[in-house]
Amino acid sequence: AQKVTQAQTEISVVEKEDVTLDCVYETRDTTYYLFWYKQPPSGELVFLIRRNSFDEQNEISGRYSWNFQKSTSSFNFTITASQVVDSAVYFCALSTNYGGATNKLIFGTGTLLAVQP
Amino acid sequence: GAGVSQSPSNKVTEKGKDVELRCDPISGHTALYWYRQRLGQGLEFLIYFQGNSAPDKSGLPSDRFSAERTGESVSTLTIQRTQQEDSAVYLCASRWSFGSYNSPLHFGNGTRLTVT
Repeated sequence: AQKVTQAQTEISVVEKEDVTLDCVYETRDTTYYLFWYKQPPSGELVFLIRRNSFDEQNEISGRYSWNFQKSTSSFNFTITASQVVDSAVYFCALSTNYGGATNKLIFGTGTLLAVQP
Repeated sequence: GAGVSQSPSNKVTEKGKDVELRCDPISGHTALYWYRQRLGQGLEFLIYFQGNSAPDKSGLPSDRFSAERTGESVSTLTIQRTQQEDSAVYLCASRWSFGSYNSPLHFGNGTRLTVT
């Protein structure tokens, strides 16, 4: 079965702190894709990153970085020097081709990040 | 270009009534998905369309839920005899899906359904 676990329900930090959002996934597929989405208070889901299972290189984009470790089935997301505008719910998601070509995203329950000024 | 458009943005209905939710995907996106998000929870997959056919309906919670897509474009999600537990935000997403297995989903702003 495919599953995404985001154990942190809510995180509160003060502006300029670094924060890491955890994501652990389960799948039997050898080919899969991992995603992070941001859902600000406005409600729209914003795509942040896509990573395939064959590429374990970490990625950095500005203040955002992602750490993909297949050995621990984790795809953690770090925000450096957090800002108030980073306040949102962050979802980790998994997409596989197991059993067909649906390619649907299986989402975690999300982590609410509150950045205090 | 325009993103995924959903209407209405908000819908309040009485228990037992039928509702229709509409999704206009991004032009050219052949794959379309419906998800449900209950308050404070994650996204729950409902149904997937490839073109006008729905090869995966596994997430529809009951036979009161149905969806169709026409012209490889607009999709309608219908909920019959609504119940209070149907209250949620219904999100539509689309993506280009020809040899682009890993392309990300583009989401609309959702329809917030409240059943009273």
